[in-house]
Amino acid sequence: GQQLNQSPQSMFIQEGEDVSMNCTSSSIFNTWLWYKQEPGEGPVLLIALYKAGELTSNGRLTAQFGITRKDSFLNISASIPSDVGIYFCAGAGTYKYIFGTGTRLKVLA
Amino acid sequence: NAGVTQTPKFQVLKTGQSMTLQCAQDMNHEYMSWYRQDPGMGLRLIHYSVGAGITDQGEVPNGYNVSRSTTEDFPLRLLSAAPSQTSVYFCASSYSGTGTRNSPLHFGNGTRLTVT
Repeated sequence: GQQLNQSPQSMFIQEGEDVSMNCTSSSIFNTWLWYKQEPGEGPVLLIALYKAGELTSNGRLTAQFGITRKDSFLNISASIPSDVGIYFCAGAGTYKYIFGTGTRLKVLA
Repeated sequence: NAGVTQTPKFQVLKTGQSMTLQCAQDMNHEYMSWYRQDPGMGLRLIHYSVGAGITDQGEVPNGYNVSRSTTEDFPLRLLSAAPSQTSVYFCASSYSGTGTRNSPLHFGNGTRLTVT
């Protein structure tokens, strides 16, 4: 089935560092979404992007919807220990939300 | 506001047994869906529904049935469980399912299923 190419697969960073992850697709999407999942819980929406070129922030998180509509990136600035988790990108078309395989983030204090 | 509620949280089945995973949402969302999450595979769509009485297959529908008799509920049935169905199952809903503004996907907390 179709899945998005999400990279990196995992990251180990020091507290205070910035983090960058991205997703690419061979298909065009109308919407890009970024989720965070913590152990034992469902994914929680972080940022939603609805327009090509859109740049949106949510606190220390910033995400962009690529101009080609085939990619998106998520940046986390000044990471803290509670940023630990798995981050998923998702592309949304009509009635189908396609997810990336996730980026597992670990923050070393 | 409870959001998306899934029950049970954990379940162990023997091969060949049947069971139903429950999902309910109280946000008046038309679109509901089921995903399975396996290590290294991300989230894969099993079935989805765009409204009461309407269901359709996702990318991995084999071995699963769904129905949507009400807007609020979207149960997932395993008719004859197999070890390959060991996974974490997530139910998710959105207002319209079209990916448009104000219609992101909201997830429940999952059901962890083990089939022995």
